[in-house]
Amino acid sequence: AQSVTQLDSQVPVFEEAPVELRCNYSSSVSVYLFWYVQYPNQGLQLLLKYLSGSTLVKSINGFEAEFNKSQTSFHLRKPSVHISDTAEYFCAVKRGGGNKLTFGTGTQLKVEL
Amino acid sequence: NAGVTQTPKFRILKIGQSMTLQCTQDMNHNYMYWYRQDPGMGLKLIYYSVGAGITDKGEVPNGYNVSRSTTEDFPLRLELAAPSQTSVYFCASSYSTTGTYTGELFFGEGSRLTVL
Repeated sequence: AQSVTQLDSQVPVFEEAPVELRCNYSSSVSVYLFWYVQYPNQGLQLLLKYLSGSTLVKSINGFEAEFNKSQTSFHLRKPSVHISDTAEYFCAVKRGGGNKLTFGTGTQLKVEL
Repeated sequence: NAGVTQTPKFRILKIGQSMTLQCTQDMNHNYMYWYRQDPGMGLKLIYYSVGAGITDKGEVPNGYNVSRSTTEDFPLRLELAAPSQTSVYFCASSYSTTGTYTGELFFGEGSRLTVL
């Protein structure tokens, strides 16, 4: 069974600073990788995904993540964060051919002025 | 377009009571899921369904039951509520067929359940 590790439970950062949220997964087979975002008192929303093709994927609001097969990582980055990026971010993995997502424990991103 | 709708949003139960969390989606998605979210634990899959009449257990099914009589509805039943079932419950749906997997789950806003 695959697992997802998000080592950082909280990441405080000042506005306009860069940020990286780390995600590592364990799977010996092909995987699909995702980042979801959860704003306070809401459900999760898909932020970006890697299914195949280019290993660098981007969201419409400036986040990007790179699939690194050799390091089994899918870290999320943003060069300059905004207050509105304050939320909890979940990394998730799905084994190719399976039908369930496995979520990490989440990273709370807190952007401060 | 309502998406995924969950009711109730909040509920307090006494130990031993039973209740049903309702979930309905209007996107004609074939897959539906129930997750629970606990602080610092992420989301754990309780049950899922790949279509009407088909359900299967996830990671933490004990103490819960589900049914899927229609494409739209996927209720979660809690029998004999226990304090360990205090959590936020999320219903989600997605569409997938062979060769068209997108990985995007659409989530409801959650149901916060407290068992005292």
